[in-house]
Amino acid sequence: DIQMTQSPSTLSASVGDSVTITCRASQSIGNWLAWFQQKPGKAPKLLIYEASSLESGVPSRFSGSGSGTEFTLTISSLQPDDFATYFCQHYNTYSPWTFGQGTKVEIK
Amino acid sequence: AQLVQSGPEVKKPGASVKVSCKASGYSFTGYYMHWVRQAPGQGLEWMGWINPKTGVTNYVQKFQGRITMTRDTSINTVYMELTRLKFDDTAVYYCARVGYWGQGTLVTVSS
Repeated sequence: DIQMTQSPSTLSASVGDSVTITCRASQSIGNWLAWFQQKPGKAPKLLIYEASSLESGVPSRFSGSGSGTEFTLTISSLQPDDFATYFCQHYNTYSPWTFGQGTKVEIK
Repeated sequence: AQLVQSGPEVKKPGASVKVSCKASGYSFTGYYMHWVRQAPGQGLEWMGWINPKTGVTNYVQKFQGRITMTRDTSINTVYMELTRLKFDDTAVYYCARVGYWGQGTLVTVSS
């Protein structure tokens, strides 16, 4: 199975900072990658799909890039509501879904 | 699209649990439904999928023999049953299709 390695596991930042989270796949996955935000006790919320497409309703300060094996999620100008855990997901219709370990974005 | 799951469950070790997931707002048979679980404080673990159109399933090896996914196309609902529950099956169980997740169902295994 494809493994997803996400880094860092924790990130401390201030409101207004720009932050980047990285996800690496153990083999090429094309652009079959999504990014989610999760807050305690809540279901994951889709932010980015197909590596770089912004989900409807998600603020434009969130952006995704990459293809193949290396992907990034960038949050420009962190807002108070953005402090949460983020994870990447490799997905397609038939294959097992695999997830990164998650990145907790904390207030510095 | 919306996925609405059944409520929380408390089960004893060795018991079974069946979680439902009702889909609305899209073609139910057009998307595979996946099940993912998250133990307290842990990451996400994919459990398998069901093709709602055909009923064909694909399970993670570690759950083989204990998990059954089924569907009822008349009410746009999929089910995930896990048997012979153990303490470490305590988790929030999510149904999900590409782009949409249910709200999660907490299953607590406790004696």
